[in-house]
Amino acid sequence: GAVVSQHPSRVICKSGTSVKIECRSLDFQATTMFWYRQFPKKSLMLMATSNEGSKATYEQGVEKDKFLINHASLTLSTLTVTSAHPEDSSFYICSARDQREGPDTQYFGPGTRLTVL
Amino acid sequence: GIQVEQSPPDLILQEGANSTLRCNFSDSVNNLQWFHQNPWGQLINLFYIPSGTKQNGRLSATTVATERYSLLYISSSQTTDSGVYFCAVSRQAGTALIFGKGTTLSVSS
Repeated sequence: GAVVSQHPSRVICKSGTSVKIECRSLDFQATTMFWYRQFPKKSLMLMATSNEGSKATYEQGVEKDKFLINHASLTLSTLTVTSAHPEDSSFYICSARDQREGPDTQYFGPGTRLTVL
Repeated sequence: GIQVEQSPPDLILQEGANSTLRCNFSDSVNNLQWFHQNPWGQLINLFYIPSGTKQNGRLSATTVATERYSLLYISSSQTTDSGVYFCAVSRQAGTALIFGKGTTLSVSS
């Protein structure tokens, strides 16, 4: 199956700093990637849809000025958490669509655990 | 938006037992996928199954699209099967998957 990577896997930062998370499709091109966050023992909540070469589409309630998404190439999308606060601590997961074989299958990265002190 | 409900929320099994996990969804779907989230958080693709039946080793899945539900069968469960199983759907091609709340499976030896 397709491989999606994320970097870093874990980050701890001080309140007020910005953190950038990278999502890469390693063996396929992805015009569309998705960003989710997951709280402990909870389900995945969609944050935004990232489209290569255009602005991201954010879900209701997600602050686009706080969670900056850039999809500058067909294999890379980035999520920047600006001026992070403790309530932003969460598990962030990206996914990418692999359309090479037809079915609209999505593959997920291993996630990034963000802790804001 | 589309609603996804999974049952049961928690399941405790002895090694070797069989189990059935259910996913109900509120509208027609273009995509339905089952995932296993391991203890490190990685989501492992189990099945892409918007309709029909598939099998992969001890796992199989069936989706009855007309009745808006999907079932994941785990036979002869092993301790390594423990974790959270998610069902996720999307209504249109190219749109994001919407996740159910998951079923937490614990298999003891």
